[in-house]
Amino acid sequence: ETGVTQTPRHLVMGMTNKKSLKCEQHLGHNAMYWYKQSAKKPLELMFVYNFKEQTENNSVPSRFSPECPNSSHLFLHLHTLQPEDSALYLCASSQDRLRQPQHFGDGTRLSIL
Amino acid sequence: GENVEQHPSTLSVQEGDSAVIKCTYSDSASNYFPWYKQELGKRPQLIIDIRSNVGEKKDQRIAVTLNKTAKHFSLHITETQPEDSAVYFCAASTPDKLIFGTGTRLQVFP
Repeated sequence: ETGVTQTPRHLVMGMTNKKSLKCEQHLGHNAMYWYKQSAKKPLELMFVYNFKEQTENNSVPSRFSPECPNSSHLFLHLHTLQPEDSALYLCASSQDRLRQPQHFGDGTRLSIL
Repeated sequence: GENVEQHPSTLSVQEGDSAVIKCTYSDSASNYFPWYKQELGKRPQLIIDIRSNVGEKKDQRIAVTLNKTAKHFSLHITETQPEDSAVYFCAASTPDKLIFGTGTRLQVFP
């Protein structure tokens, strides 16, 4: 299934680096999401975009900066991350914010040195 | 705040046995309950879902039941197979947000 594609699959970066995660969906959906998945924790919703507008920011530190240029693409810009930010970052999409289910990408495994 | 509790955190069964995973939610406005399966190194994939106007739904070897009064919902897998081994996540959705449980690692031994 290639409905939601995330790149890169793996990323190792230092705390002072700047990098970006990319998500693209080919499902014609209008809502896109960023989640953080850490070991032994529930999936944590970070950001929600509905029709390109950010509708939710779950108290995410400003070192994470999302961007949604259109309904098919979602980025997560990373800057000055901390070791505790190491996790799997999952992108998902749905028909729109009110209509489930969500379809997930394979994620980006992020390691902060 | 709203939360979803999921039990057990790990579950080991013999091939052919049944497996049951239970979730409890706190927000009575929740009206949609999906279950996701996540194999090692792969994306969470929706395996079954149920809406609040339905008490039970079945799809081949998997079924989900919902008790709105008790705010419980459960995943039932019958005739388990080794390929059912994965982490299973429940979730409860209101119109505003989808909240996930902490996951259950299911191991099916041949």
